[in-house]
Amino acid sequence: DAGVIQSPRHEVTEMGQEVTLRCKPISGHNSLFWYRQTMMRGLELLIYFNNNVPIDDSGMPEDRFSAKMPNASFSTLKIQPSEPRDSAVYFCASSIQREGRGEQFFGPGTRLTVL
Amino acid sequence: AQSVTQPDIHITVSEGASLELRCNYSYGATPYLFWYVQSPGQGLQLLLKYFSGDTLVQGIKGFEAEFKRSQSSFNLRKPSVHWSDAAEYFCAVGFGSARQLTFGSGTQLTVLP
Repeated sequence: DAGVIQSPRHEVTEMGQEVTLRCKPISGHNSLFWYRQTMMRGLELLIYFNNNVPIDDSGMPEDRFSAKMPNASFSTLKIQPSEPRDSAVYFCASSIQREGRGEQFFGPGTRLTVL
Repeated sequence: AQSVTQPDIHITVSEGASLELRCNYSYGATPYLFWYVQSPGQGLQLLLKYFSGDTLVQGIKGFEAEFKRSQSSFNLRKPSVHWSDAAEYFCAVGFGSARQLTFGSGTQLTVLP
């Protein structure tokens, strides 16, 4: 299996621009998670999906952030407009939930720099 | 609300020495506990997990962890550290129906030759 795939691996953009991060979960997994990692706040859960449906987006910092999962093999995290404080590494993870158990497998992350 | 504390920000050990990384959690129900490792510029790799049963769990790369309910701890151990173990280690508690993760702040491990 190729594992969780994220693209791009690095993104540099200017303040005010739209940024779209992409994730392909492991085939057969039914839960998908977006995390953000910064020096100040560590690893934070932004949103998670179960069977393509957003379940909890309480970690999404602002309305500028949105996430979609149009099908079981693809998800996007969009920031519009982007700001310098959005600079971070964004991780996608997926898991398969059986009887309430399921460890998460992480992608390599997207390092976002907003100038 | 759940939380995870890793009291050691940075630990330095010599190669071949034993290692223990501390983790304390706060969670109102039965915890699902995890240790992940992150090498520079990489994603997180699962080392081991505890769901139930035997409180001493074995993981990959020779790591083990012991769940102690009375102490709300889940410390990670390795009897002999290798230079390739240098990385950042994260303890996490899984909560909710999908076991969403709350992470500790991480412990950076440096291994001296």
